[in-house]
Amino acid sequence: EPEVTQTPSHQVTQMGQEVILRCVPISNHLYFYWYRQILGQKVEFLVSFYNNEISEKSEIFDDQFSVERPDGSNFTLKIRSTKLEDSAMYFCASRVTGAKTDTQYFGPGTRLTVL
Amino acid sequence: AQSVTQLDSQVPVFEEAPVELRCNYSSSVSVYLFWYVQYPNQGLQLLLKYLSGSTLVESINGFEAEFNKSQTSFHLRKPSVHISDTAEYFCAVTAYNTDKLIFGTGTRLQVFP
Repeated sequence: EPEVTQTPSHQVTQMGQEVILRCVPISNHLYFYWYRQILGQKVEFLVSFYNNEISEKSEIFDDQFSVERPDGSNFTLKIRSTKLEDSAMYFCASRVTGAKTDTQYFGPGTRLTVL
Repeated sequence: AQSVTQLDSQVPVFEEAPVELRCNYSSSVSVYLFWYVQYPNQGLQLLLKYLSGSTLVESINGFEAEFNKSQTSFHLRKPSVHISDTAEYFCAVTAYNTDKLIFGTGTRLQVFP
């Protein structure tokens, strides 16, 4: 069964450094998402992406964050200058269409630790 | 805006016992409701969803959830749990006018032999 994959599974970085989290969505999916979960807190929506554009973003997704689909398979989340509070599990998700009836399929997550 | 409340952070239960994981939501517009499950070291997997129609929805592995509009609830139930049901369960909503899922804080179901 096709699945969303994410690399790396765990990333440790120093505060102020740039990190890029990578996701490979399911191949025929057109809508892509990033969510994050700070330890002990809710899974929070960050951004949705379709047709090479951000379609919706949360207030968390400030200028330090960016997303890109650099080729036909990868979907990346970049944090330009990491802060301690960026430490969280980051989940990528994708779905075939934008219809609410379609399921968002999630990857296993990347645990980001900012020291 | 929408919000989801999962009152129980952990639910311990013995194998073959029934279980109910509670979920309440708030929204000023119509919503769709979901339960996702996360097994250790895996991603979130859709367990079941309510979109419209019958208020009782079922999953393939014996879970069911009932949409109760008057109580704004979408509780998840299983009449007899297995060890393999041990996981984190997340309730989520999405509104008709947005693309994002709004999650609760999750309930860790621990099934003991």
